[in-house]
Amino acid sequence: SQQGEEDPQALSIQEGENATMNCSYKTSINNLQWYRQNSGRGLVHLILIRSNEREKHSGRLRVTLDTSKKSSSLLITASRAADTASYFCATDFGGSNYKLTFGKGTLLTVNP
Amino acid sequence: NAGVTQTPKFQVLKTGQSMTLQCAQDMNHEYMSWYRQDPGMGLRLIHYSVGAGITDQGEVPNGYNVSRSTTEDFPLRLLSAAPSQTSVYFCASSYHSGRTGEQYFGPGTRLTVT
Repeated sequence: SQQGEEDPQALSIQEGENATMNCSYKTSINNLQWYRQNSGRGLVHLILIRSNEREKHSGRLRVTLDTSKKSSSLLITASRAADTASYFCATDFGGSNYKLTFGKGTLLTVNP
Repeated sequence: NAGVTQTPKFQVLKTGQSMTLQCAQDMNHEYMSWYRQDPGMGLRLIHYSVGAGITDQGEVPNGYNVSRSTTEDFPLRLLSAAPSQTSVYFCASSYHSGRTGEQYFGPGTRLTVT
């Protein structure tokens, strides 16, 4: 399968701590995206990072991309209880198809 | 803007029945897609469209049909429902400038096939 794989599958931390999630993939990509899903809701886009970019920031979120290792990480700093959600990476492998392939996600629980 | 809307929110079908899940967006997005989400499986792409009149298969297209007659609407048809199609279905849309960009998701349709 070409899909990205998130690691860890589940992560439990205390409020105020940082949370790091990783995504690995197998073939070259055009871009990689991170999404958040609150329980029972649709997915919300967080950050898109292109293959020629190494790092992007958005508020408390920091995404890195290492194309040589075929991996990306999502860092959430100073976590809040409201950050409790599942986080997914999605990869666009380029070429002539326009398919976004999602991983199975990391369930983040932030305890108050 | 309403964004991406999906109807119904919940549906129960009997095996063999057919139905259409509706998806509409009011953002003038060229790209629309359907995913199903099952526990432990992440999201899997069923079908997608890069514009009106153009559709293509995703990872798990069997048992589903789509059409795209307008930019706004992208219905998903279940031809003969099976218990294996019990899932949560998400529709998504995005601008399409030649690559797959930020996806806007609908709230989902929870389908149970008995």
